[in-house]
Amino acid sequence: DGGITQSPKYLFRKEGQNVTLSCEQNLNHDAMYWYRQDPGQGLRLIYYSQIVNDFQKGDIAEGYSVSREKKESFPLTVTSAQKNPTAFYLCASSMTGEEFQPQHFGDGTRLSIL
Amino acid sequence: GQQVMQIPQYQHVQEGEDFTTYCNSSTTLSNIQWYKQRPGGHPVFLIQLVKSGEVKKQKRLTFQFGEAKKNSSLHITATQTTDVGTYFCALIEGFQKLVFGTGTRLLVSP
Repeated sequence: DGGITQSPKYLFRKEGQNVTLSCEQNLNHDAMYWYRQDPGQGLRLIYYSQIVNDFQKGDIAEGYSVSREKKESFPLTVTSAQKNPTAFYLCASSMTGEEFQPQHFGDGTRLSIL
Repeated sequence: GQQVMQIPQYQHVQEGEDFTTYCNSSTTLSNIQWYKQRPGGHPVFLIQLVKSGEVKKQKRLTFQFGEAKKNSSLHITATQTTDVGTYFCALIEGFQKLVFGTGTRLLVSP
C-alpha cells in the first residue's frame, strides 16, 4: 500500500539529547512537511520541503532541524535547544502543481521528556 | 501570516442531532481545506473549497465557503458515533503551506 510511515510511534528524550524522528513516503510526492500538535490544539508547521535538497522554515522551526537528501525521506531532529519538545509530531506529504493539493499524513510520533 | 479561528472549540451532541463548526478569517481566503482527526489518529483530508459561495456535500456532511471568502462552515446532519473527532479547517498560504485552524472537537453520545 502507498502511504507515509513514521517511526518510532513513541519516543522518550533525555535532557540535553538530540533525537531524530523518521518519515518515509512511497507516494512519489515532491512536497513533505513536519507539524507539531500539542494536546487539544491545532497543527503548527515546523519545516517543509518542496523538492529534494531544499527546505524552508515553518512557523516554529527553532530547536528543530531537517534534511531532504532523498525524495522519499524527510527526517526531523529535535535538538536539545528545543526546551519543550513534548508533543505529537506529524509528517505529511503532497503532490505539487498549479492546483492546491491535499496533504496526506502519517500516524505520528509521540515524543516525551524523561 | 494569515490566521483562522474556529468555533466552537468543543461540542457534545446526542446521536441524531446536527452539528456545525465555523471557520472565520479577517482576510479574504483563496481557498480552504477541511480535515478530520479521530482521537489518537492523524488528520484526514475531507474536502477543498475554492469558489465564492461554493457548497459541497459528502453524504451527511455539507461544506460551505462564504460569499466574501472570509468564512467557511461544515455541517453534519444526524450525527453518528463515527463522526467523533476533531474537525480542522486549513488555509493555504504561499506554495502548498497549510495554516490550520484551532479545530472543533466533536463528541457524540449514543
